[in-house]
Amino acid sequence: DAKTTQPPSMDCAEGRAANLPCNHSTISGNEYVYWYRQIHSQGPQYIIHGLKNNETNEMASLIITEDRKSSTLILPHATLRDTAVYYCIVRPFLGGGADGLTFGKGTHLIIQP
Amino acid sequence: GAVVSQHPSRVICKSGTSVKIECRSLDFQATTMFWYRQFPKKSLMLMATSNEGSKATYEQGVEKDKFLINHASLTLSTLTVTSAHPEDSSFYICSARDGASNQPQHFGDGTRLSIL
Repeated sequence: DAKTTQPPSMDCAEGRAANLPCNHSTISGNEYVYWYRQIHSQGPQYIIHGLKNNETNEMASLIITEDRKSSTLILPHATLRDTAVYYCIVRPFLGGGADGLTFGKGTHLIIQP
Repeated sequence: GAVVSQHPSRVICKSGTSVKIECRSLDFQATTMFWYRQFPKKSLMLMATSNEGSKATYEQGVEKDKFLINHASLTLSTLTVTSAHPEDSSFYICSARDGASNQPQHFGDGTRLSIL
């Protein structure tokens, strides 16, 4: 799977949009971009995924650059409950027999009151 | 949405005990489930891929005789930590995928294992 690079930590004021960047310059044409988050002492929570088009769901928006070498996860109105470690993961469409996820260090997003 | 239930949420036991952790997909069938381990302040590490009706696939460095995986039905996988020692203390998390391989994995809430 392609390697991803994320800032180790970010702060965001409550009520503002949180924009979390991810670089994946070695992404292949068949690899999707997935975002998960992990609140302390819980299992990871799926947020959103995409291939090349921008995506939006009830939790967030995912903006993927045209060359697909980077993406941004946007939480439109951050709340204190959004404080978590956010993981950007890229993996192939067809993972074959070994398609468990490879987690990097992620970004620790801290929402400030 | 897809829900994965993991039980127990916390286990404290003596060294040498074997501990079984269950992972269930509640509202979907999962031919494949995954087991991860997370040490304090570290990222999740994939331990093994659990396949319904066949042997699990273990990641390099994970002892298959130490971490026994059984996936007897489409909604249940179990991980048994055999003869657990203090170094096995960790946060164990399972996940399952609903459908095609590009679909997201859904995670359980994890099991915190503490070996005294």
